[in-house]
Amino acid sequence: DIQMTQSPSSLSASVEDRVTITCRASQSISSYLNWYQQKPGKAPKLLIYDASSLQSGVPSRFSGSGSGTDFSLTISSLQPEDFATYYCQQSYSTPRTFGQGTKVEIK
Amino acid sequence: QVQLVQSGAEVKKPGASVKVSCKASGYTFTSYDINWVRQATGQGLEWMGWMNPNSGNTGYAHKFQGRVTMTRNTSISTAYMELSSLRSEDTAVYYCAREIGYSYGSVWFDPWGQGTLVTVSS
Repeated sequence: DIQMTQSPSSLSASVEDRVTITCRASQSISSYLNWYQQKPGKAPKLLIYDASSLQSGVPSRFSGSGSGTDFSLTISSLQPEDFATYYCQQSYSTPRTFGQGTKVEIK
Repeated sequence: QVQLVQSGAEVKKPGASVKVSCKASGYTFTSYDINWVRQATGQGLEWMGWMNPNSGNTGYAHKFQGRVTMTRNTSISTAYMELSSLRSEDTAVYYCAREIGYSYGSVWFDPWGQGTLVTVSS
């Protein structure tokens, strides 16, 4: 199974900060990497697919990059509604493993 | 709009089984795989398996093989996930999600159902 490791596990940031979350795969997964946002009590929501493609309706302050084993999600200017937990997921193979999550909290 | 609507919360005793439903609308049910993911309270997302609604083919995570069964009823565009021999560690929110994309590997989960809380307690 492919292991996905996110860092950091949590972070504190202020509104308008630039935030970057990283995700590392245990083997190369090409660009088959997705990012989801989850708010408390809600289902996850797709933000980025194929490492860097922005899902329709997602604000342009979210961006993704990377290929192979190293990936990142960047929020260019953190907004109040962005405080949530973010998960990466590989779709290169089954099981479709997720990272352990990164909780973005208000500083 | 495309949506997945899941059945309501369940409380089960250890050793029992639970069957969660996921009703699809707004798209052709048989055209996209359905995946199931669970999340224990305060924990991360755990992938359980997938089902092809057209063929009925399934694939399960090793952890759940022998205990999970994913089925469907195409006449009502509904997928089901049944988990047997429940234990307290199975207490979690269970989500269904449509897998959509371009080709092998280039796939993602969208949308997700609202989640179904399954509580296992004596």
